[in-house]
Amino acid sequence: NAGVTQTPKFQVLKTGQSMTLQCAQDMNHEYMSWYRQDPGMGLRLIHYSVGAGITDQGEVPNGYNVSRSTTEDFPLRLLSAAPSQTSVYFCASSYVGGIEQFFGPGTRLTVL
Amino acid sequence: AQTVTQSQPEMSVQEAETVTLSCTYDTSESDYYLFWYKQPPSRQMILVIRQEAYKQQNATENRFSVNFQKAAKSFSLKISDSQLGDAAMYFCAYGIYNQGGKLIFGQGTELSVKP
Repeated sequence: NAGVTQTPKFQVLKTGQSMTLQCAQDMNHEYMSWYRQDPGMGLRLIHYSVGAGITDQGEVPNGYNVSRSTTEDFPLRLLSAAPSQTSVYFCASSYVGGIEQFFGPGTRLTVL
Repeated sequence: AQTVTQSQPEMSVQEAETVTLSCTYDTSESDYYLFWYKQPPSRQMILVIRQEAYKQQNATENRFSVNFQKAAKSFSLKISDSQLGDAAMYFCAYGIYNQGGKLIFGQGTELSVKP
């Protein structure tokens, strides 16, 4: 099992550019989430999904889009990157009825 | 709304000594879970310990134990016999059963271990 994988590990964007952060898990988990980590603020939930075709907003959803077409994949899209989106992004997954989340290695994104 | 607060941005401990990290939370739910995650410089989030709110007994995992005070909404982490490898950022987190994917994190405590 690879667990939760994220690509890329590092990314630098210019303001206004778009990109997709990839997240995949091979544990057949129904639940998947995206968090961002900023200094002094811990991890904050961006979007989450309880199954294929179902997504919902978390605490800080503005500027991000998600979709969940398969159980395995949960990409996070930045349509027009802003410097305020400079952060470390974590994807996580868990099984239905489970509470423990399994985290990916994170993506460090810098927006200039 | 649920909140999680870690009031100690930084803590320091001597190797082999004991240190306690504090966490308080606010919720109106009666059934929930609490966690401590460790984040070393590698950035990987590692689950250290979990506590179910319905359990009165404090969770223990080897050198790590918690002091769960449900009425006071307090959830501290005690690390005994501290090791150099314990140096990391520690996050307290809160979640509700069957709302997988929705953890609320505290701000984190940076723990340094002095040899």
